[in-house]
Order: sequence, then structure tokens, then C-alpha cells
Amino acid sequence: RKEVEQDPGPFNVPEGATVAFNCTYSNSASQSFFWYRQDCRKEPKLLMSVYSSGNEDGRFTAQLNRASQYISLLIRDSKLSDSATYLCVVTMYGGSQGNLIFGKGTKLSVKP
Amino acid sequence: EAGVTQFPSHSVIEKGQTVTLRCDPISGHDNLYWYRRVMGKEIKFLLHFVKESKQDESGMPNNRFLAERTGGTYSTLKVQPAELEDSGVYFCASSRTNADTQYFGPGTRLTVL
Repeated sequence: RKEVEQDPGPFNVPEGATVAFNCTYSNSASQSFFWYRQDCRKEPKLLMSVYSSGNEDGRFTAQLNRASQYISLLIRDSKLSDSATYLCVVTMYGGSQGNLIFGKGTKLSVKP
Repeated sequence: EAGVTQFPSHSVIEKGQTVTLRCDPISGHDNLYWYRRVMGKEIKFLLHFVKESKQDESGMPNNRFLAERTGGTYSTLKVQPAELEDSGVYFCASSRTNADTQYFGPGTRLTVL
């Protein structure tokens, strides 16, 4: 079983749509959670951390359910520039990033 | 502030040859990480330096891989001898402390023929 599992997509949505990605992680001892964004042939970049209480950053909302070992990312009012691969990432270290454990990513394509 | 840089951006070598990848972290970042993405797979951790010391090298696939960070500045990752399965994108990341965000370099795309 993979440590972090994601639906690879692709998700093809029109501009303005709301889209949600899900991710599950296998190790209940995982401590920190993140969404990274990776554009084609570029490096991963941190999009946002994910907290148990849920957190929002503009059009992006992240949720964590520790009991179900499930992480989600919601993107509202999708823009063309949101097209990218979204990587679900966990670490085993509390309060720190440490060594990142990546999912394979979910590809999003936003169309005009 | 300059970001993480990696050299070369691409490398094509034949099986059995040696290749050395270089990573220059963001200035002042003590923590340096190497990751690798093999085609069709997820990005995987290779190792972690704190300054010049190897904090964790549990992700290194085998003894054909040697990472160094002499002086605690830039790091090199040498593959000797290279095998076909070593092909992939090698990313370097750095952070000021191990609690801070890791910033990734653009990666080195390695192709072993």
C-alpha cells in the first residue's frame, strides 16, 4: 500500500468551477500535512499547510481528518493559472517538515 | 534572494558511466535535502544534510549513490556506476531549519541509456 494515495486525474474543469481533490495516508503516526503545487517540468512549491481545524487561503481550502487519515483540497472559482499537478505531502515529524512523503499527484486542467 | 540552484539541468549518460549532480541551497539554509522522481512514480526522499552532516540517508537506494556536503554549503550527489533505473528527475531542497518550508530547486533530469 502506498504511503500517500491520490486520484491521478486528470480533472478537466471550466474556468470558475469548484474542484476538490482527496488524499489518504497510510501511517496514522503522520504529523504534518501539506499541499504542494507542481507545474509541468518545474519544481514542487508549497501551496499550503493543512491543519486539523481546516484552513483557508483565498480560493483554496484544506481539510484534515485524522480519524479517517484523509486530506482534502478545495479550489473555488478556478482560474486558468490553477492548471498544475497538486501533490499531497505528509511528514512523520511533529512541528516540522522533516523528510517529505509525496503522493503521485492529481493533475488539474482548467479550460476557458 | 536567490533560490535553490541545481546543475546540470539535464544529463544524458550511458549505463556504467559516472554522473555528479550539484545543488546550491539558499544562502543560510543549514538543511539540504535530495529527492528523486522516477518516471511514473512519486517523488521520493533520498537524504537529508544538516550543515555538513548526514542527518538521514535512509532513502538512498544503494551504495552506487554518494552524497557529500563539504563545508556545509553546496552538495553533490554522485552516481557511480549509473544504471538504467537511475533515470529520473533529481530535486534538491533547502530550509533554514528542519521546521521551515523546504524550497525546491528546478531539478536535474538524468537519462541513463
